Amino acid sequence: DTGVSQNPRHKITKRGQNVTFRCDPISEHNRLYWYRQTLGQGPEFLTYFQNEAQLEKSRLLSDRFSAERPKGSFSTLEIQRTEQGDSAMYLCASSLGAGKNIQYFGAGTRLSVL
Amino acid sequence: QQQVKQSPQSLIVQKGGISIINCAYENTAFDYFPWYQQFPGKGPALLIAIRPDVSEKKEGRFTISFNKSAKQFSLHIMDSQPGDSATYFCAASMSGSEKLVFGKGTKLTVNP
Repeated sequence: DTGVSQNPRHKITKRGQNVTFRCDPISEHNRLYWYRQTLGQGPEFLTYFQNEAQLEKSRLLSDRFSAERPKGSFSTLEIQRTEQGDSAMYLCASSLGAGKNIQYFGAGTRLSVL
Repeated sequence: QQQVKQSPQSLIVQKGGISIINCAYENTAFDYFPWYQQFPGKGPALLIAIRPDVSEKKEGRFTISFNKSAKQFSLHIMDSQPGDSATYFCAASMSGSEKLVFGKGTKLTVNP
């Protein structure tokens, strides 16, 4: 499979716990994006990396959220001290090159905070 | 503040009919307008995209119409098929930004 891969697909956690999601972009894609999608809504932008540099961050990305892309390949999104309002689908996308290139999305990680 | 307003929220069309989904925006700095298709359990996939220097773009059965002065754009699906049943999102992006701003989505059902 050469698409964007996200793991795990589902995560159930208790309020207050920390969770980490992983995204493996399409090979050689230098840009990687994180979005959050709640039921009945469109994806909301969280952050964007070009190679290992985090270039844009949304105000939605509170202090409890942190994203990394240490070697410019896979990325992790960590949520600390989860809250019920964090329950959502977390989508990762990747694209190649400069300009408005196509963002290819993974199937997402569905987080449920109990 | 919702920057891209999408309507209708849901749409039911008969097989062979035309599906029309509309979006409106306020920010004139937007310069890229893609449409994404999402099936249950899958991530969104790009369907077709347009820039404001053209008024229409067609790819197969899918057409984007763009009205810059009205700040509106729409997706037309001709000869709609049951396999087109999915949620469709319009989106927009500003010059100098990679961030996509999505509408709330339209759930399309095409009856056989």
